Amino acid sequence: GEDVEQSLFLSVREGDSSVINCTYTDSSSTYLYWYKQEPGAGLQLLTYIFSNMDMKQDQRLTVLLNKKDKHLSLRIADTQTGDSAIYFCAEKATDKLIFGTGTRLQVFP
Amino acid sequence: DAGVIQSPRHEVTEMGQEVTLRCKPISGHNSLFWYRQTMMRGLELLIYFNNNVPIDDSGMPEDRFSAKMPNASFSTLKIQPSEPRDSAVYFCASSLDGGVSYNEQFFGPGTRLTVL
Repeated sequence: GEDVEQSLFLSVREGDSSVINCTYTDSSSTYLYWYKQEPGAGLQLLTYIFSNMDMKQDQRLTVLLNKKDKHLSLRIADTQTGDSAIYFCAEKATDKLIFGTGTRLQVFP
Repeated sequence: DAGVIQSPRHEVTEMGQEVTLRCKPISGHNSLFWYRQTMMRGLELLIYFNNNVPIDDSGMPEDRFSAKMPNASFSTLKIQPSEPRDSAVYFCASSLDGGVSYNEQFFGPGTRLTVL
């Protein structure tokens, strides 16, 4: 079945790195995504990774994919207060996305 | 492009009333999705359309919910009659479904529905 799980909360100090983890169940997913939701807004694509890759880096963001364990992570380097948001992991299942529960990241000074 | 447009942004209604939420997808996109977000259940996919045709409505909670897409630039989600447990933020999203592409979904700002 399709299921994407994340931890609900993460709290980090400004300037530290944040690591948000996700596990998924559909091994046939071709793409995996990280979306960001800021307060009062819709979700916005942050980054994605193709399933034949194990790492993708984009400025302060690093995505790691472990297909064997069906584990996806998002690392945010030098976390800023503007990074405070809910982060959703998602996998592509045919024509639709299956979203995780979301991880609320709180950044404190 | 203005992005995905949803209206109204906020809706407060009384139990038993009909509620209609509206969505205008990004021009040229061929897939449209309706989601519901609550604290208890997170983000749930209600229904999605491809080329104006409903593909999967398995997430629609019950018969009180219905969705239509009469043309490529407009969709509605209707709740009749509404109940307090329908209170949530409803998101519309659209994408250009191109087969093997990564198919980014663009979300609207959402409609916050409160049913008293």
